[in-house]
Amino acid sequence: EAQVTQNPRYLITVTGKKLTVTCSQNMNHEYMSWYRQDPGLGLRQIYYSMNVEVTDKGDVPEGYKVSRKEKRNFPLILESPSPNQTSLYFCASSLGLAASYEQYFGPGTRLTVT
Amino acid sequence: LAKTTQPISMDSYEGQEVNITCSHNNIATNDYITWYQQFPSQGPRFIIQGYKTKVTNEVASLFIPADRKSSTLSLPRVSLSDTAVYYCLVGGGTAGNNRKLIWGLGTSLAVNP
Repeated sequence: EAQVTQNPRYLITVTGKKLTVTCSQNMNHEYMSWYRQDPGLGLRQIYYSMNVEVTDKGDVPEGYKVSRKEKRNFPLILESPSPNQTSLYFCASSLGLAASYEQYFGPGTRLTVT
Repeated sequence: LAKTTQPISMDSYEGQEVNITCSHNNIATNDYITWYQQFPSQGPRFIIQGYKTKVTNEVASLFIPADRKSSTLSLPRVSLSDTAVYYCLVGGGTAGNNRKLIWGLGTSLAVNP
């Protein structure tokens, strides 16, 4: 089954404790992206990757890092989480970069930073 | 990057047709119009995409007038399971322009029995 998986689905952590949210897709998609979703603000893009070893900032990249060492995986790293990073995070993938390509989203990771 | 405007919420009843209109006055020539559906605690799911005129698939229709400054998502005979948030996005069909897609706040559709 074609899918995007994220782990963990739920995470509660404390300020400053480094964490990684994993994302994996099995569709051989070149493009992958991370979003955060907050009430009243909608979905905002954090980082995206056009292919292996190619990443770029989205609209809200501060406080986040990403890597794309393999085509299927695109982990999101919070090196020193802060409470304002409490949010619902989604990973997405698509065949290509252009908006004409359908994006496939993961189930989401709900992160709480205390 | 084009900005979209859509109603914050809508109410309907089972069996009715629902039309959600999205305004995108500054749409660019190569922009596509795409709609996504999101259920609570799930990621958005692609519904339909179009460039001009009318597009229909098994779940919805998309109507785009000639000037392309707006579009209407039509859901025929909605059921309770269509209760969700619907997002309208516009973006370019060529690489490099648009993976910084701007997602609006969407339209929260409530289908009542």
